[in-house]
Amino acid sequence: GESVGLHLPTLSVQEGDNSIINCAYSNSASDYFIWYKQESGKGPQFIIDIRSNMDKRQGQRVTVLLNKTVKHLSLQIAATQPGDSAVYFCAENIRSGGGADGLTFGKGTHLIIQP
Amino acid sequence: DGGITQSPKYLFRKEGQNVTLSCEQNLNHDAMYWYRQDPGQGLRLIYYSQIVNDFQKGDIAEGYSVSREKKESFPLTVTSAQKNPTAFYLCASSTTPGNSPLHFGNGTRLTVT
Repeated sequence: GESVGLHLPTLSVQEGDNSIINCAYSNSASDYFIWYKQESGKGPQFIIDIRSNMDKRQGQRVTVLLNKTVKHLSLQIAATQPGDSAVYFCAENIRSGGGADGLTFGKGTHLIIQP
Repeated sequence: DGGITQSPKYLFRKEGQNVTLSCEQNLNHDAMYWYRQDPGQGLRLIYYSQIVNDFQKGDIAEGYSVSREKKESFPLTVTSAQKNPTAFYLCASSTTPGNSPLHFGNGTRLTVT
């Protein structure tokens, strides 16, 4: 029979507004977190990372917030632009192998920028 | 320009055929990875290699094989044993696994009919 893929959570914002994308991570032992942006048909592109000894880190137009108490990560994008339309993934560094075997990825959020 | 090159971008195969996806990096990274991405889903780890001539199975290794004969290259073979091979395949590399970002290629979309 036909298989149905999962639908990604979608966030729709007006151009120029700020966007906040949230992520709940799974492993309290994770100590390194990354946000990726993936445009259609391309590989994920690194946006910003944060280590567990920090609560906040800022980049160009982006800010990542880490709340270890509730295992929550967020990505804030200031003054969103049409080029920000993409799927955004969070990733954490702890897998069963202890980190050497890559990252654990969230399922992603589709950010849509309305003109 | 340093980066990861995956080829081809699109690949079509008949069911029952093996197919090999290429991944080359000139970042001088020790660790390389293969992920599979299905529509609306996150990335799932197929195989990874921390060093030349060594590789380990990821979460969904069944029906796949890899080799790591050179630091720069980590080809993935999708065998006829893989029950659901149609997917978007992503190769990545990193300097310090678990403490540095993965750098991704632009993927190969494999369609098996």
